[in-house]
Amino acid sequence: KNEVEQSPQNLTAQEGEFITINCSYSVGISALHWLQQHPGGGIVSLFMLSSGKKKHGRLIATINIQEKHSSLHITASHPRDSAVYICAAHLTGSARQLTFGSGTQLTVLP
Amino acid sequence: NAGVTQTPKFQVLKTGQSMTLQCAQDMNHEYMSWYRQDPGMGLRLIHYSVGAGITDQGEVPNGYNVSRSTTEDFPLRLLSAAPSQTSVYFCASSYEGGPFRSYEQYFGPGTRLTVT
Repeated sequence: KNEVEQSPQNLTAQEGEFITINCSYSVGISALHWLQQHPGGGIVSLFMLSSGKKKHGRLIATINIQEKHSSLHITASHPRDSAVYICAAHLTGSARQLTFGSGTQLTVLP
Repeated sequence: NAGVTQTPKFQVLKTGQSMTLQCAQDMNHEYMSWYRQDPGMGLRLIHYSVGAGITDQGEVPNGYNVSRSTTEDFPLRLLSAAPSQTSVYFCASSYEGGPFRSYEQYFGPGTRLTVT
């Protein structure tokens, strides 16, 4: 069983919809990253958080350390948001290494 | 800044051949790492380095070798390529926060490797 799990694996939405992608982890962590992988393959960091909530434009990331859960929300989704979204965690005791979820493929239809 | 660069972008090898994937960063990051990405699986750590002269194994190190002679460069060597090493390889870098602090990760564009 992977220590970091994402859901859903695939998500299709209509333009303008509010989107939520979930990430849960089964062990203690020191920080969690949300990454975006473009259709061309490049990976960019969206957020890094260890508590609370962060917002950047239409993207919001939250984390609840006690419940071992993080969410990535996209408001007013757009076809250009179509990508794979990946959560990755620094597990306690191995904070130099990232453990990755398997990703959520998001497709936003016009 | 160029960020994290990787070469080549694509490579086809025959079983048994060796090659080096290049990775360089110009952000003076101490921490660099190599990952492989396979369909249906998350990225997996191959090797990492916390500074020049210091390297360590990740989750899937077998068949790969690394060295870190400078802060900027972190090459990944495939010693004797096998079809199981067909994958997309990403290099990443960040500031080194030690075991208790992590920083934003910067990824290279990836190298798509096929071993026949």
